[in-house]
Amino acid sequence: DTAVSQTPKYLVTQMGNDKSIKCEQNLGHDTMYWYKQDSKKFLKIMFSYNNKELIINETVPNRFSPKSPDKAHLNLHINSLELGDSAVYFCASSRKCNTEAFFGQGTRLTVV
Amino acid sequence: SQELEQSPQSLIVQEGKNLTINCTSSKTLYGLYWYKQKYGEGLIFLMMLQKGGEEKSHEKITAKLDEKKQQSSLHITASQPSHAGIYLCGADIGAGNMLTFGGGTRLMVKP
Repeated sequence: DTAVSQTPKYLVTQMGNDKSIKCEQNLGHDTMYWYKQDSKKFLKIMFSYNNKELIINETVPNRFSPKSPDKAHLNLHINSLELGDSAVYFCASSRKCNTEAFFGQGTRLTVV
Repeated sequence: SQELEQSPQSLIVQEGKNLTINCTSSKTLYGLYWYKQKYGEGLIFLMMLQKGGEEKSHEKITAKLDEKKQQSSLHITASQPSHAGIYLCGADIGAGNMLTFGGGTRLMVKP
């Protein structure tokens, strides 16, 4: 069984479109994250949720809006996609803050 | 500069050789995590180190934490092609409930 699952795995879309990436974890964890991996492979935190509440919101454009309907889900919605949004996005979860994080397989987003 | 620096950035070794990857923090480490990313796949958790001097092993991979030097090293013994991938260190440097990651080390193992 997949612990942290993201869908879709690949997403190709045109500039200006709105898209969502879904993330679900079946580990019973309290904390979930979204990371962006840039072209240089650096992973940068975007958002962190603890028990459905936003804990961290790094400097991310307002076009990015996370939504956590329940503790097991943290979806990422992106409005008006831009070329620079192309990257691999990783969802992760951890039991508590600052415990080991388990990552999803990543979603490769390509904006054309 | 990154708060977590990994070296080398890339590494090509012959199968059977040993290798070491380093991860150095500019801030106090409260926990250090090693992940491996296989090409085109997600991140796989390898090990977590929390105490200075701690050393953990998993199969042929050993990681150590030097708290004083704010550094961790990942050592692979008798490398195999299956070890190829990108190794990422992530650390809790007191920046809230998130990990800060290094830039990754791309490892290729030649058969």
